[in-house]
Amino acid sequence: DAKTTQPNSMESNEEEPVHLPCNHSTISGTDYIHWYRQLPSQGPEYVIHGLTSNVNNRMASLAIAEDRKSSTLILHRATLRDAAVYYCILSSQAGTALIFGKGTTLSVSS
Amino acid sequence: DSGVTQTPKHLITATGQRVTLRCSPRSGDLSVYWYQQSLDQGLQFLIHYYNGEERAKGNILERFSAQQFPDLHSELNLSSLELGDSALYFCASSAGLWDQPQHFGDGTRLSIL
Repeated sequence: DAKTTQPNSMESNEEEPVHLPCNHSTISGTDYIHWYRQLPSQGPEYVIHGLTSNVNNRMASLAIAEDRKSSTLILHRATLRDAAVYYCILSSQAGTALIFGKGTTLSVSS
Repeated sequence: DSGVTQTPKHLITATGQRVTLRCSPRSGDLSVYWYQQSLDQGLQFLIHYYNGEERAKGNILERFSAQQFPDLHSELNLSSLELGDSALYFCASSAGLWDQPQHFGDGTRLSIL
């Protein structure tokens, strides 16, 4: 699977939007972009995934660049509960195993 | 609540011993995945089962084995334990064969003394 690059850490204030970037310049045409997060002392949690078009769900939005070499996870209004490690992962359509990198540690201040 | 149940939550044992970790997937899910998370290695994929059959293997040591039973629960067996096996072990489940893991359990924390 292609590799992703994420900043080690980001900070945000409560109630503000957060844009978490992910670079994946070697993405292939069949690679899906997945985002998971892991809150302290918990297992990972699925956030969102997409292929080419932007995606929205109740947790977040995923903005995918036109060339698909980068994507951004958008949390519209950060809360203290959103403090977590966020993982951006690529997987091919036929793949069944997600390979987690180091992710971005998001801190949220009140 | 993800619907995935892992037992036990904590396990303390000694080097050379053998342990079994248990996972009950979310109701209706046929796929079970096992991951290991240690401080220095991050989350490592170990193995994937679908409806009782092994489908993919990751960085799973030969001392480790797993199976998925007809009732779809899964067990991860770790033998000849070493200090470096101390980690959090997560189980995840999803509905289908090609679905990515959707629901993760809270993990079993294994400590080797």
